[in-house]
Amino acid sequence: NAGVTQTPKFRVLKTGQSMTLLCAQDMNHEYMYWYRQDPGMGLRLIHYSVGEGTTAKGEVPDGYNVSRLKKQNFLLGLESAAPSQTSVYFCATTRFYEQYFGPGTRLTVT
Amino acid sequence: DAKTTQPTSMDCAEGRAANLPCNHSTISGNEYVYWYRQIHSQGPQYIIHGLKNNETNEMASLIITEDRKSSTLILPHATLRDTAVYYCIVRVAGGGSNYKLTFGKGTLLTVNP
Repeated sequence: NAGVTQTPKFRVLKTGQSMTLLCAQDMNHEYMYWYRQDPGMGLRLIHYSVGEGTTAKGEVPDGYNVSRLKKQNFLLGLESAAPSQTSVYFCATTRFYEQYFGPGTRLTVT
Repeated sequence: DAKTTQPTSMDCAEGRAANLPCNHSTISGNEYVYWYRQIHSQGPQYIIHGLKNNETNEMASLIITEDRKSSTLILPHATLRDTAVYYCIVRVAGGGSNYKLTFGKGTLLTVNP
């Protein structure tokens, strides 16, 4: 039981490049979330999903797209990366009152 | 969701109790108090939550004042591994978008040997 996993762990992109971050969970949870965390800050919600085939915007959605084609996977896409998207990205799932977080993806955009 | 106020940082001696305060003076009757922590570079970890009664689990105790405007997280015997940023979060229970968590800057707890 791996819980929540994220791929990749680290990535360096050049401005304008695109990439997809993968979040996978084996807990059969309906809800999944993508957060970003900048130095010295708390986490901010980018997008979330309440079930397979659904997505919704969080507080900082601009520049990102998401898809939830399968219940166990939640993908976060950057179509044209910008230096302002340099951050640590965390995925999470929820069951009842507890959120379970992945280990994070550290992304640097140069 | 109600806003919370926490001290920026606190220190605690190893083996002693760590008491982390949180003010949430605008909390509504249907909002719970949640605590999470984030050890350096890792994803946040759930600790405990409560509505109005004091709660205890294997990790910590949560004391909520009678007027529910503040709470205290207690780590009874802090260890070096408890050094982390602790987040106090207030939100309603329930499904859908209410499962979102709003993280502030939290309290950096440093446990010293």
